[in-house]
Amino acid sequence: EVQLVESGGGLVQPGRSMKLSCAASGFTFSNYGMAWVRQAPTKGLEWVATISYDGSSTYYRDSVKGRFTISRDNAKSTLYLQMNSLRSEDTATYYCTSNNYGFAYWGQGTLVTVSS
Amino acid sequence: DIQMTQSPASLSASLEEIVTITCQASQDIGNYLSWYQQKPGKSPQLLIHSATSLADGVPSRFSGSRSGTQYSLKINRLQVEDTGIYYCLQHYSAPYTFGAGTKLELK
Repeated sequence: EVQLVESGGGLVQPGRSMKLSCAASGFTFSNYGMAWVRQAPTKGLEWVATISYDGSSTYYRDSVKGRFTISRDNAKSTLYLQMNSLRSEDTATYYCTSNNYGFAYWGQGTLVTVSS
Repeated sequence: DIQMTQSPASLSASLEEIVTITCQASQDIGNYLSWYQQKPGKSPQLLIHSATSLADGVPSRFSGSRSGTQYSLKINRLQVEDTGIYYCLQHYSAPYTFGAGTKLELK
């Protein structure tokens, strides 16, 4: 059974940092590109970042470029999102998803709330 | 950036009815288009990938089609469990963009 389990979310003050993790199992993680997608409360889905299967290529939406870093450890089957200089508008549920023929596998999401 | 214009924003339909949701891409995206269903409090679920291919485990009443830069999701014989919000996604080029969503309810 495919599983993606996010962790690391919570309440953080504006300007601070937070690192999300996503532990993958049930599929060959190192064969798949991966992505982070977020959803602000009561809003639609928003793509955040994508990383290639081997980590050699990364892509970001403009609003997080220079603040967020997507990375992966294929030996640990784990995806990461380092988020720096957080803003109130980054408040959202963050989903980890496999980036292959669309987003086939999704985690349950982890809520990040940026507030003082 | 590629814009995805999704319509309608909301839709109320009866059981067994045929429902169609469309997404218009602002430029050519080939078949790099997928469709998702999201239920309240749940993660999205992939329905259709590559514009027309049914994802594993998805009922055959769901289908996808393409005409140029217009993409459609069709649900034949609407069922109770089909209510939720539907999104299209283009992953042809970054930044990947979702449609604004279509809220589907039962009449």
